Amino acid sequence: DAGITQSPRYKITETGRQVTLMCHQTWSHSYMFWYRQDLGHGLRLIYYSAAADITDKGEVPDGYVVSRSKTENFPLTLESATRSQTSVYFCASSDRDYGYEQYFGPGTRLTVT
Amino acid sequence: GIQVEQSPPDLILQEGANSTLRCNFSDSVNNLQWFHQNPWGQLINLFYIPSGTKQNGRLSATTVATERYSLLYISSSQTTDSGVYFCAGSSGNTPLVFGKGTRLSVIA
Repeated sequence: DAGITQSPRYKITETGRQVTLMCHQTWSHSYMFWYRQDLGHGLRLIYYSAAADITDKGEVPDGYVVSRSKTENFPLTLESATRSQTSVYFCASSDRDYGYEQYFGPGTRLTVT
Repeated sequence: GIQVEQSPPDLILQEGANSTLRCNFSDSVNNLQWFHQNPWGQLINLFYIPSGTKQNGRLSATTVATERYSLLYISSSQTTDSGVYFCAGSSGNTPLVFGKGTRLSVIA
């Protein structure tokens, strides 16, 4: 039971580059989420999705793009990375609705130089 | 949107001590979850508890939905309980809003 995986686990990129963080879940959960975690801010929602081809903006969506062509995958793209996007990114999924029990991936630590 | 306040922000305990962590919500919630983030950064589900009381080993949680708060009890704490504890809640079919967490350090 692989659950929810994220790749890469660590990434260093330069300002202005495009970078994609991958999220894959094996539970066939309908709902998926992207969060960022920064010191002093806790976890903040970037984007979320109720199903394939259905996505919505969360609290901090600027500078990010998501897609969901398949139920099991929910990639997050930083179109032109900035230093303020240095953070730990978590993907999560839920099988019932937006607020129901969520399960988290291991996280991706992204550094933008 | 809903505001989530956790207290205390930091807590240091001697191994074997008990503790209570609190989560207050600015409005009614019908989804409420507690998580533990271990020192390696992994977020672990503890309880999904929109109301009532649940127990799992040395941990238990109680949510009083009408008064908009939830409590997490840790008994006989161990060093492996160290980390950050988050609560999160939402109302209706909306995404969870997280508190800023309680950082727990258990000293041997």
